[in-house]
Amino acid sequence: DAKTTQPPSMDCAEGRAANLPCNHSTISGNEYVYWYRQIHSQGPQYIIHGLKNNETNEMASLIITEDRKSSTLILPHATLRDTAVYYCIVRVVLGTYKYIFGTGTRLKVLA
Amino acid sequence: GAVVSQHPSWVICKSGTSVKIECRSLDFQATTMFWYRQFPKQSLMLMATSNEGSKATYEQGVEKDKFLINHASLTLSTLTVTSAHPEDSSFYICSASNLDRGYEQYFGPGTRLTVT
Repeated sequence: DAKTTQPPSMDCAEGRAANLPCNHSTISGNEYVYWYRQIHSQGPQYIIHGLKNNETNEMASLIITEDRKSSTLILPHATLRDTAVYYCIVRVVLGTYKYIFGTGTRLKVLA
Repeated sequence: GAVVSQHPSWVICKSGTSVKIECRSLDFQATTMFWYRQFPKQSLMLMATSNEGSKATYEQGVEKDKFLINHASLTLSTLTVTSAHPEDSSFYICSASNLDRGYEQYFGPGTRLTVT
């Protein structure tokens, strides 16, 4: 079973910040949170990941709550090319490192 | 990031035939590769995990005799769908990872399989 829950869909105006929430209330202490996105009929693209501190890279920022039970991915200035399904993933260690995908959020950036 | 390729990008086959899909890590040695299946408008479902030189570990409900996985080298894993049926039509995606890259998974572009 997926360890994350996300809203099924969101809209965002072009140029505005897109804030995508994710709940992972059963996350364990050594499990990372990863964010990927998938544009139609392509493989998932890595965005960012974190353990407990907030992270920022050239694509996005990741805000993780202090109790680590939820996080928010922020795309600071959304463009039409950011329209995609965004997956919040908890990386679990079960013999090997596995990703358990949830249902994701379908983000539509509107012109 | 790292580059992972898949071949073919799409394939159409007749019911009852077998199809092989290749997954290659082009610029790093992948000690572990993963195979996922994705049906339309659904999320990715992990099918199996393969470590180089070892037998693959299949997720519950995935038939290992139907989906044969081979990971004979650090840059190549193959998925063979045996005796394919129309319900096997799906988007198959592989990913690759290793310790040096923190076990982060790098995904291939996917293979669209249609069984007629």
